Amino acid sequence: AQSVSQHNHHVILSEAASLELGCNYSYGGTVNLFWYVQYPGQHLQLLLKYFSGDPLVKGIKGFEAEFIKSKFSFNLRKPSVQWSDTAEYFCAVSNSGGYQKVTFGTGTKLQVIP
Amino acid sequence: DAGVTQSPTHLIKTRGQQVTLRCSPKSGHDTVSWYQQALGQGPQFIFQYYEEEERQRGNFPDRFSGHQFPNYSSELNVNALLLGDSALYLCASSLGDRENSPLHFGNGTRLTVT
Repeated sequence: AQSVSQHNHHVILSEAASLELGCNYSYGGTVNLFWYVQYPGQHLQLLLKYFSGDPLVKGIKGFEAEFIKSKFSFNLRKPSVQWSDTAEYFCAVSNSGGYQKVTFGTGTKLQVIP
Repeated sequence: DAGVTQSPTHLIKTRGQQVTLRCSPKSGHDTVSWYQQALGQGPQFIFQYYEEEERQRGNFPDRFSGHQFPNYSSELNVNALLLGDSALYLCASSLGDRENSPLHFGNGTRLTVT
């Protein structure tokens, strides 16, 4: 069975600080990887996704993530966070060919202080 | 605008009762997935409906059942409610024949079982 582990439950950063949120997954086959974000009072929305090809993927709002197959990791990064990045971030995985059944991590709450 | 609409937004039920939650997918989407998100946890996959049939199911008991209508809308039914069923129930829609179709989430239905 798939599982996703997010190392940080709550992260507090000052504006302009760099961000890296850890994500490791457990699955033996080919995977699709995602980061979803939930801004306060809003629905979950896709931040970025990896299916194949370049392991460094870029998403909306300056976010990027790197897939490292040997480490089963898909960490999320942003060079300089803004107050508007305050949200909860979820890493997720689906097995390739798995009809979009997505397994989510427990989430990381990011608080950015102005 | 989420595109995916869920009703009701909040619901309070008593242990042992039955509940029905509803979801209308984003325009153009034909697949509906249901997730349960307990407090402090990530969304947990319940099941997915495609072409009016349950295509995949997560690790949830038979008390959880669903239906998809010809217009692609969907219902989630939970029988014999337990206190532990209290959670946010999320509906997500996608294109069922495209593996790389991302999930579009609604705002959820908050179910409280007393």
